[in-house]
Amino acid sequence: AQSVAQPEDQVNVAEGNPLTVKCTYSVSGNPYLFWYVQYPNRGLQFLLKYITGDNLVKGSYGFEAEFNKSQTSFHLKKPSALVSDSALYFCATYNFNKFYFGSGTKLNVKP
Amino acid sequence: ETGVTQTPRHLVMGMTNKKSLKCEQHLGHNAMYWYKQSAKKPLELMFVYSLEERVENNSVPSRFSPECPNSSHLFLHLHTLQPEDSALYLCASSQASWGTDTQYFGPGTRLTVL
Repeated sequence: AQSVAQPEDQVNVAEGNPLTVKCTYSVSGNPYLFWYVQYPNRGLQFLLKYITGDNLVKGSYGFEAEFNKSQTSFHLKKPSALVSDSALYFCATYNFNKFYFGSGTKLNVKP
Repeated sequence: ETGVTQTPRHLVMGMTNKKSLKCEQHLGHNAMYWYKQSAKKPLELMFVYSLEERVENNSVPSRFSPECPNSSHLFLHLHTLQPEDSALYLCASSQASWGTDTQYFGPGTRLTVL
């Protein structure tokens, strides 16, 4: 079955520290992978996507993600977390004309 | 803002009511989507429209009825809903319905079914 998994319901990190939000995928063929962020009472906002090419993808607000084919992962990273990064993060994939979203990871950045 | 608006933002309805959710995109996109977001569950894609034609229907119960009168507007008509249908309903749009296109989401309608 095609899917993405976000193994952590919640990630806690101190402001200024690096952060990682994990995502693994299970798809046939070449995956299209996305990260979205959702702030309270808002819709999802696009952060970045991997379609093809360079495995390291840079996105909005200083976020980046690395496509790792051997580990079937697409973890979201940021070198220095901000309190304002606290939100719900969704990994997603598109495969064979269908979209699949993960269940989301809540990121808490503490001052 | 993303250019996708949804009304109402909050809706409380009884199981016998009929109501409609409205979505409007101001981005000139050709594809529009309805998603259901329930707590601690993956986002569920409900419907996809491309150039006003439905191209995807993910086994959604018939008590949800979408309508896309033009490429800028999308409706979700609701009737005889169940309490388990309570969720955040998100609308999104993209330039095309290809998976490589970025989707832009509205703020959602928080639906409560009593």
